[in-house]
Amino acid sequence: EDKVVQSPLSLVVHEGDTVTLNCSYEVTNFRSLLWYKQEKKAPTFLFMLTSSGIEKKSGRLSSILDKKELSSILNITATQTGDSAIYLCAVAPHPQGAQKLVFGQGTRLTINP
Amino acid sequence: DTAVSQTPKYLVTQMGNDKSIKCEQNLGHDTMYWYKQDSKKFLKIMFSYNNKELIINETVPNRFSPKSPDKAHLNLHINSLELGDSAVYFCASSITGTATYEQYFGPGTRLTVT
Repeated sequence: EDKVVQSPLSLVVHEGDTVTLNCSYEVTNFRSLLWYKQEKKAPTFLFMLTSSGIEKKSGRLSSILDKKELSSILNITATQTGDSAIYLCAVAPHPQGAQKLVFGQGTRLTINP
Repeated sequence: DTAVSQTPKYLVTQMGNDKSIKCEQNLGHDTMYWYKQDSKKFLKIMFSYNNKELIINETVPNRFSPKSPDKAHLNLHINSLELGDSAVYFCASSITGTATYEQYFGPGTRLTVT
C-alpha cells in the first residue's frame, strides 16, 4: 500500500528560527511529490517536485527531493507567526491520467512570537 | 473569483439522514476529486472524476455516491449518515495529462453527524 510519512508531527519554534520538515514515501510508480500548507481551511499549493536534487524556492520556503532516499524536505527560514499551519506532503503515485494524491499526516508547525 | 467552491461550509445532521455536498470549480479543469479529512487531519482520496467519468473510486462505503453533471461540478451524496462520517470533506480540481498537475482545493465542508 502506498504510504507517506511526515516528521515531526508537531513542532513549536520561535519567530526567526529556521525549521526543516521531513517527508518520506513508499509508493509504486512515483510521479511527483507535492507540498501544501493548510491554515484554517483549504490546503494551498506550495511546491511540486519531480526531479531529484533540484531545489525549488519561493521566498523563505524551499524544498528538495531525494529519490534515492525516497524523501523530501521543506525548509522555512526566518520563520514568522504567519507560517503557523499544518504542512502536508503528498505523492502522486499513478503513472498517468487522473492523479490520486496520497497524503502524509501533516506536520503542525507553531511559530511563537 | 472563487476557484473551487463548496456548499455548505457546515453541515450538522442526525444519524440516518441523507445529505448532499456540492462543489463547483471555475478554473477550466477537467478532473475533480473528493477527499475526506478525519480528526487526525489525514486527507484521503475518495473519488475522482475526469470529464464526468468516474476514474478513481477508493474503498468507500456505497452510501457515498458522487455525481458529476458536467466537468465543472462534482457533488457528493451520502445516504444513511453514520457517526463515523463526521469529518471535513474537501473538493479539489486539476488538469489531467501525462504529467502531474497540482490540485486546487475548496474550503471544505465540515460534516457533523449526531
